[in-house]
Amino acid sequence: DVKVTQSSRYLVKRTGEKVFLECVQDMDHENMFWYRQDPGLGLRLIYFSYDVKMKEKGDIPEGYSVSREKKERFSLILESASTNQTSMYLCASTPDRSLYEQYFGPGTRLTVT
Amino acid sequence: DAKTTQPTSMDCAEGRAANLPCNHSTISGNEYVYWYRQIHSQGPQYIIHGLKNNETNEMASLIITEDRKSSTLILPHATLRDTAVYYCIVRRTGTASKLTFGTGTRLQVTL
Repeated sequence: DVKVTQSSRYLVKRTGEKVFLECVQDMDHENMFWYRQDPGLGLRLIYFSYDVKMKEKGDIPEGYSVSREKKERFSLILESASTNQTSMYLCASTPDRSLYEQYFGPGTRLTVT
Repeated sequence: DAKTTQPTSMDCAEGRAANLPCNHSTISGNEYVYWYRQIHSQGPQYIIHGLKNNETNEMASLIITEDRKSSTLILPHATLRDTAVYYCIVRRTGTASKLTFGTGTRLQVTL
């Protein structure tokens, strides 16, 4: 079974802090995604990566950056956390960028105070 | 991408089949039907997808009507752990694979 793990299930940070969210998948998938999910707004794509050291902006990249140094690991960085970045963050991977068969991690619920 | 319509909520008794409908009347020939679910406070989970033939896997069956304007996801023996929000999505392959969910159907499985 595909396994996607995320570094934390719950995280509380202060405004202005730099925050790192890590995602690791164990199925050698080339494509990885970071989403955030908020009530009433659904799932929104922040960044995605089709290969090591490659990244592309999604719909809401402002205030975020990403890093993909190894195929299995995709990190999301909040450069200076703000309260409007309080959300559920979801990482996903898929072997083929044209597929919608995406495998998600358990999510990180981030609260910025 | 075609728009989908699903009932807001459904109930199902444990052990019975749960039949979740999805209407996608504007679907085009190269669009697939995908189903995901999301259990409370967890990440979404891929269930199944299909183009025009019925599909079955270890989790569920997908029945697509001959005109492809609607489909039904069937959980053959629902358990309490199947309580979740179920999302029906229609997408073409070969395009950027961003996922977006509508409001979905909240399935409540009861004893």
